[in-house]
Amino acid sequence: SYVLTQPPSVSVAPGQTARITCGGNNIGSKSVHWYQQKPGQAPVLVVYDDSDRPSGIPERFSGSNSGNTATLTISRVEAGDEADYYCQVWDSSSDYVFGTGTKVTVL
Amino acid sequence: EVQLVESGGGLVKPGGSLRLSCAASGFTFSSYSMNWVRQAPGKGLEWVSSISSSSSYIYYADSVKGRFTISRDNAKNSLYLQMNSLRAEDTAVYYCARGLLSSGFGFDYWGQGTLVTVSS
Repeated sequence: SYVLTQPPSVSVAPGQTARITCGGNNIGSKSVHWYQQKPGQAPVLVVYDDSDRPSGIPERFSGSNSGNTATLTISRVEAGDEADYYCQVWDSSSDYVFGTGTKVTVL
Repeated sequence: EVQLVESGGGLVKPGGSLRLSCAASGFTFSSYSMNWVRQAPGKGLEWVSSISSSSSYIYYADSVKGRFTISRDNAKNSLYLQMNSLRAEDTAVYYCARGLLSSGFGFDYWGQGTLVTVSS
């Protein structure tokens, strides 16, 4: 089965840049989506198809994908960005696969 | 405004059954694939099942195959999940999620979820 690995946690100071990685075998050949989930709330799509942003998502959220690693970058981090973040792909042998999740803490 | 509202969760004994519903509004329901995704308490997200816009294609995670049945009624803008032979490990918040129209197979809108607890 296809596995997506994320760091359990990332800490960042307000105004700085947070980078969340998502590792998977040849993930660069797949479309990666990223979700933000705040405590007690449903996930929200923040980046789709590697680097596109849904309407209403700030430009501070961006994505990239190459080789074996996809990355979600949050620029000029704000307190409201504190949340769990999940990457997700579709794989022909595993169907929909989510990453292990990363908790972003704003210091 | 896209809205997805789940209902039908609750407490059920192991081996029991439950039917979840998801009422959709604010978009052309019949044009989108729909999905169920669950999250066990304190755990990550797990895809459960997907159904194409016309119900022609249906997929299940191995963990629920043979026990869960996904269906939809486009006339009623509703999605369903029939869950049978429930186990303790099925305890989770179940989310209804709309499929992305892009080719990337993701989920662009999610409901608030309904909690299913399987316990004796």
